[in-house]
Amino acid sequence: NAGVMQNPRHLVRRRGQEARLRCSPMKGHSHVYWYRQLPEEGLKFMVYLQKENIIDESGMPKERFSAEFPKEGPSILRIQQVVRGDSAAYFCASSRPGLDEQFFGPGTRLTVL
Amino acid sequence: GIQVEQSPPDLILQEGANSTLRCNFSDSVNNLQWFHQNPWGQLINLFYIPSGTKQNGRLSATTVATERYSLLYISSSQTTDSGVYFCAVGTSGNTPLVFGKGTRLSVIA
Repeated sequence: NAGVMQNPRHLVRRRGQEARLRCSPMKGHSHVYWYRQLPEEGLKFMVYLQKENIIDESGMPKERFSAEFPKEGPSILRIQQVVRGDSAAYFCASSRPGLDEQFFGPGTRLTVL
Repeated sequence: GIQVEQSPPDLILQEGANSTLRCNFSDSVNNLQWFHQNPWGQLINLFYIPSGTKQNGRLSATTVATERYSLLYISSSQTTDSGVYFCAVGTSGNTPLVFGKGTRLSVIA
């Protein structure tokens, strides 16, 4: 049973470019969460999605960031016009409906030059 | 929102020593998880423990929900235990986790 998968594992972008981060939840999990970890800090919640629905995006910056979890395929976190402050590790987690335990992917480390 | 405080922030141990890490939280929780972030940055699930006591090998955890704290015990520490230990809580079903700032553990041979 494969765990949560994220790709790419490392992503380098220049300022102004777009970054697309992908997350495939564990089999049977329909809840997806995105978290961001800045250097030397804990993880901070960004957005919570179920299939085709954004449930809670209270942690996501209002501009340049968007997320989706389509009926088919992985969840995507999209960052437009990246800036140096977006450099961080982005983790995806998934859980089953009605069960609270979240399982985390290996993360995508984004570096903005 | 709920506050999560972990202590100590840093801990250095000699290999073979035991340790206790603490997590205090400011409100009732439905979910409490302990994670180990290894030196490569990967988050490893250690325990899902909103209440009660669990053990897994050299690690055990206890959550006293009524007093709003959880403890993670590491016995006979090994160098591979090094990394950052995070406590994270959720306040209702399937809600996002709120993380503490972590305890950075270094185990030296």
